[in-house]
Amino acid sequence: EVQLVQSGAEVKKPGESLKISCKGSGYTFTNYWVAWVRQMPGKSLEWMGVIYPADSDTRYSPSFQGQVTISADKSIRVAYLQWTSLKASDTAMYYCARLQYGGPPAAFDFWGQGALVTVSS
Amino acid sequence: QSVLTQPPSASGTPGQRVSISCSGSSSNIGSNNVKWYQQLPGTAPKLLIYTNSRRPSGVPDRFSGSKSGTSASLAISGLQSEDEADYYCAAWDASLNDYVFGTGTTVTVL
Repeated sequence: EVQLVQSGAEVKKPGESLKISCKGSGYTFTNYWVAWVRQMPGKSLEWMGVIYPADSDTRYSPSFQGQVTISADKSIRVAYLQWTSLKASDTAMYYCARLQYGGPPAAFDFWGQGALVTVSS
Repeated sequence: QSVLTQPPSASGTPGQRVSISCSGSSSNIGSNNVKWYQQLPGTAPKLLIYTNSRRPSGVPDRFSGSKSGTSASLAISGLQSEDEADYYCAAWDASLNDYVFGTGTTVTVL
């Protein structure tokens, strides 16, 4: 069974750093791209970027380029999303998702359960 | 800001057919495949339709997708109470070099 299991909810202060994770299982982790998607409270979904764990090839949405860092450790089947200096506007639910096949145009066929990040002073 | 436009809400009684539209442009829907995602309350999104009209394994055939020009639509036939959810369309946008989602439609079963 394909599963993506994300790390838990986080409460942080503005200016703090954060790294959240997404562990894949039930499939060959290095064969599929993994994406990160943001959902702000009451809002639609936003694609942040993708990574190919086999070689760490990473593509970012223009809206998130320079704002976050996506990485992966294929030896432990984990993808990461990282911030160096959080802002209140980063408060959102963050999902990881596996791409069905190929790169970014592909559909997201399996999703993690989500990780709620709250940034508040 | 969502590039794909959907109606905010849609509703129907059990057994009825509900249709949701998704309007885009030549750089996204007009030149790339459309996907549809279902998000039940308090849960992660789930892939409902890919490549405009194909259903992943396990998705009931009550759900169907279509595309024409720069618009797409999702139809739910034989509406059931468990279909109450938010529905999002999505497509790659070649001009933005971005994967864009729709504004979302909340389906209510009356």
